[in-house]
Amino acid sequence: RKEVEQDPGPFNVPEGATVAFNCTYSNSASQSFFWYRQDCRKEPKLLMSVYSSGNEDGRFTAQLNRASQYISLLIRDSKLSDSATYLCVVNIVANDYKLSFGAGTTVTVRA
Amino acid sequence: GAVVSQHPSRVICKSGTSVKIECRSLDFQATTMFWYRQFPKQSLMLMATSNEGSKATYEQGVEKDKFLINHASLTLSTLTVTSAHPEDSSFYICSARVPGKTEAFFGQGTRLTVV
Repeated sequence: RKEVEQDPGPFNVPEGATVAFNCTYSNSASQSFFWYRQDCRKEPKLLMSVYSSGNEDGRFTAQLNRASQYISLLIRDSKLSDSATYLCVVNIVANDYKLSFGAGTTVTVRA
Repeated sequence: GAVVSQHPSRVICKSGTSVKIECRSLDFQATTMFWYRQFPKQSLMLMATSNEGSKATYEQGVEKDKFLINHASLTLSTLTVTSAHPEDSSFYICSARVPGKTEAFFGQGTRLTVV
């Protein structure tokens, strides 16, 4: 079983729509959680960290459910510029800064 | 955020030759850097952890004699793909850990094409 699994999508949504997707992780001892954004043929860039109580950054809301071992990302009022692949990233082991990456969820926002 | 610079961004080489990729932390000292490889439509796969002043730690299945890693200073790690073959063609990305932070900061990536 993969350490981090994501629905690959693609999610094809119109501008202004809300889109949400999840990521599951296999190791219950996982410590830190992140969403990264990766544009085509570019490096991943940190979108937001995910905190236990859930957190929001503008139009982006992240949630963590430790009991069910998943995290989610919700994008409100989608913009064309939100089109990208969103990577779910998990730090599995405390004090070991290796990160495990999901394969990504592709979102395409259309005009 | 912290700046990690990777060079070159793109390289095409002939089969059997070696290619060196550099990863620099520009505004912080990085005792640990990570090297990843990403094939199309797949996730980033960790190849090795580069530790300043000591040997790199390679992930299972990654040939240490083929992917040579050197981390001679606190701001520079290099990955050399030796005797490259077409199947080594991929997107190679480095990241560095910033002291006090858990998230990773990535270089721009190197797209290697072996012909």
